[in-house]
Amino acid sequence: DAMVIQNPRYQVTQFGKPVTLSCSQTLNHNVMYWYQQKSSQAPKLLFHYYDKDFNNEADTPDNFQSRRPNTSFCFLDIRSPGLGDAAMYLCATSSDTGGAYNEQFFGPGTRLTVL
Amino acid sequence: AQKITQTQPGMFVQEKEAVTLDCTYDTSDPSYGLFWYKQPSSGEMIFLIYQGSYDQQNATEGRYSLNFQKARKSANLVISASQLGDSAMYFCAMREGSGGTYKYIFGTGTRLKVLA
Repeated sequence: DAMVIQNPRYQVTQFGKPVTLSCSQTLNHNVMYWYQQKSSQAPKLLFHYYDKDFNNEADTPDNFQSRRPNTSFCFLDIRSPGLGDAAMYLCATSSDTGGAYNEQFFGPGTRLTVL
Repeated sequence: AQKITQTQPGMFVQEKEAVTLDCTYDTSDPSYGLFWYKQPSSGEMIFLIYQGSYDQQNATEGRYSLNFQKARKSANLVISASQLGDSAMYFCAMREGSGGTYKYIFGTGTRLKVLA
């Protein structure tokens, strides 16, 4: 089945130790998103790739970076995780055909713990 | 200002009854899309239903229907015949913009608990 896969599902890192979360998709969608979701809050968009074009949200800290080496893969790098970065990180994809209807397909998420 | 407002942090409904989850939105873009997602405790976001700003009829998907009132800028989700498995967090979201500049904005969610 076509899907969005996130690895790992659970990640534990130490304060200040760089960590990379990965997302892959078999849907061949041209748009990929990274969201941060803290407990009992709405998902917050960090950035998205439209094809190879990177679109950063204005309030996304510089500590968060992303790479998209090809259509299928997208990575979220947290350069120096702080305690406040502990959250669920959701990857999503969509196929932008130019209309308003572009359903997002979400992965299962990676729950990040910072010690 | 909030772009998506969900005023009900938590809701209870009896099994087999219908429930309405409220969502209001704010945009000046004439072309936008409204989505509802379900998020169980496992964390995965599950797409439920979509309504386009130009759609004349209210969207329906099985037990889910969307009560779209464009003039009031509301897009309430109606779940009919509630089931225990419907207990989850529900998010209303809006897509606005176009091309590479669009974004999805989520509301703060409503936690639904279905009672046996």
